[in-house]
Amino acid sequence: KAGVTQTPRYLIKTRGQQVTLSCSPISGHRSVSWYQQTPGQGLQFLFEYFSETQRNKGNFPGRFSGRQFSNSRSEMNVSTLELGDSALYLCASSLSDRGYEQYFGPGTRLTVT
Amino acid sequence: GESVGLHLPTLSVQEGDNSIINCAYSNSASDYFIWYKQESGKGPQFIIDIRSNMDKRQGQRVTVLLNKTVKHLSLQIAATQPGDSAVYFCAEKVSYGGSQGNLIFGKGTKLSVKP
Repeated sequence: KAGVTQTPRYLIKTRGQQVTLSCSPISGHRSVSWYQQTPGQGLQFLFEYFSETQRNKGNFPGRFSGRQFSNSRSEMNVSTLELGDSALYLCASSLSDRGYEQYFGPGTRLTVT
Repeated sequence: GESVGLHLPTLSVQEGDNSIINCAYSNSASDYFIWYKQESGKGPQFIIDIRSNMDKRQGQRVTVLLNKTVKHLSLQIAATQPGDSAVYFCAEKVSYGGSQGNLIFGKGTKLSVKP
């Protein structure tokens, strides 16, 4: 069974631009969570989707948003990019509707210049 | 790799020895715990999980121990191999009634295995 896939793997953007990242969960998984990883803050939770509904949101500004489609694929969007948004963005999927046993994708490395 | 912070604790072990990685979790209401391994340039890889109604769980070459009294979690790796070199994260999760809760990650420990 294929793992979680994320596209693109690498992205370079300029301050003020917006970006959309994509995540395809493991087949059959309906829960998708997004995390931001930086050397300073570590892994931080962004949001979680289940059956196209956002169930949980972390402590990030409204510039960070996401959505989930009927096929469980998910996208996250960051608008008005700031230098501090440079990070590895990770997507995790879970078979469990309670978010147990989350499996991560390889991440999208976003660099904001 | 992306997961290495400036002040990650490091554990250095000899190949073949057993490794013990410790983690103190923050919330006494956490009822689910999970260990991940992250190699440079990759996403975290699921190793093993444990629920709060258990004290110990074993997998292949790995054992997780949970001490709820002192809010402590440990990961034991038997016969450590060079391929085990990575950053290891513990994560906790609280399930609030019908809500799901998110994973809260520790800062990570870098395991270095000497051949």
